[in-house]
Amino acid sequence: DTGVSQDPRHKITKRGQNVTFRCDPISEHNRLYWYRQTLGQGPEFLTYFQNEAQLEKSRLLSDRFSAERPKGSFSTLEIQRTEQGDSAMYLCASSVGQYNEQFFGPGTRLTVL
Amino acid sequence: KQEVTQIPAALSVPEGENLVLNCSFTDSAIYNLQWFRQDPGKGLTSLLLIQSSQREQTSGRLNASLDKSSGRSTLYIAASQPGDSATYLCAPFTGFGNEKLTFGTGTRLTIIP
Repeated sequence: DTGVSQDPRHKITKRGQNVTFRCDPISEHNRLYWYRQTLGQGPEFLTYFQNEAQLEKSRLLSDRFSAERPKGSFSTLEIQRTEQGDSAMYLCASSVGQYNEQFFGPGTRLTVL
Repeated sequence: KQEVTQIPAALSVPEGENLVLNCSFTDSAIYNLQWFRQDPGKGLTSLLLIQSSQREQTSGRLNASLDKSSGRSTLYIAASQPGDSATYLCAPFTGFGNEKLTFGTGTRLTIIP
């Protein structure tokens, strides 16, 4: 499978715990995005990497959120001290080239109890 | 700030009918626009990317049109099938330097066998 992969697919945690998600983009895609989607809404942009550089962050990305892409390949998104409002689907996408067609992974569904 | 509206929010049609989904966006200075489908609890699947210089883009039974100056795009689905049942999302891309896709809430399509 050469698509975008995300791990885990589901995560249930208790409020106050830290969680980390992983995204593996399509090989050779230099751009990587994180979005968050709540029920009944469209995805909302969180952050963007070009290679290993984090070039844009949304105001949605509070100081409890941190994302990395250390070698310009896979990326991790960590949420510290989770809150019930963090419950959502976290989607990763990657792209390359002049048209920037974004391809999405299956998402990680987070439930904070 | 780009805002995206999709009308209708939900649509049910009998199998075999042709249908049109509408997307409007407030900032017409876009680079391209993507249409996606999303099955319940899943990630997004890219259907079509239409560049700002194009008026139409076709893939199988799908045809997307773009009227950039009026801030509108439509997705035409011919000869609908039950497997087309999903939520359809449009997302304009403003261009490099403002990397994110902006989504509306989508149109939930149900094809009745």
